[in-house]
Amino acid sequence: DGGITQSPKYLFRKEGQNVTLSCEQNLNHDAMYWYRQDPGQGLRLIYYSQIVNDFQKGDIAEGYSVSREKKESFPLTVTSAQKNPTAFYLCASRTREEKLFFGSGTQLSVL
Amino acid sequence: GENVEQHPSTLSVQEGDSAVIKCTYSDSASNYFPWYKQELGKRPQLIIDIRSNVGEKKDQRIAVTLNKTAKHFSLHITETQPEDSAVYFCAASISPDSGGGADGLTFGKGTHLIIQP
Repeated sequence: DGGITQSPKYLFRKEGQNVTLSCEQNLNHDAMYWYRQDPGQGLRLIYYSQIVNDFQKGDIAEGYSVSREKKESFPLTVTSAQKNPTAFYLCASRTREEKLFFGSGTQLSVL
Repeated sequence: GENVEQHPSTLSVQEGDSAVIKCTYSDSASNYFPWYKQELGKRPQLIIDIRSNVGEKKDQRIAVTLNKTAKHFSLHITETQPEDSAVYFCAASISPDSGGGADGLTFGKGTHLIIQP
């Protein structure tokens, strides 16, 4: 499965609820990323992490949070502060040659 | 920061014809330019990339050209086939070795390529 796994594939959020998207990689990559994909908007960077216990905000970090407690794992929490969370979320890891490997994505919808 | 513009947003070509997708970038320091293909409901996958020390790179039916002076690069697909139907994204970045930040790639908004039978 390309070495990077996202779960769940589909997720529904109720108003006021926080939800967490999982991303795990076994590629031994240091850098990991979260992107949001909306129709016609391309891929927009939410958060990224270069090493364990360190992460940085991307272009659209408001309403999201992350952690990087292990090299293999980079979960994304969509908080209740994110008022328009419906989107396709992609996790990726990066090689030293700058090539991105993407997970299969999570489609988040609001109930 | 970097800004990447991609055109057209939708491209329809007859099977067997060629397709060209163009991107422009704003930061003259950018030196890495990949292209990703995303089939419907699937993850984006790298199909070809080019660095600024070369002007053209080819891999079977796909090629990428780079014009650093004009700050634009293009994806060329020849002899298009039904399996080429997908959304294609261009991207640009400054390599970490060249002082680039850790935030990586800036993506264009994508081109939906439709291959007509």
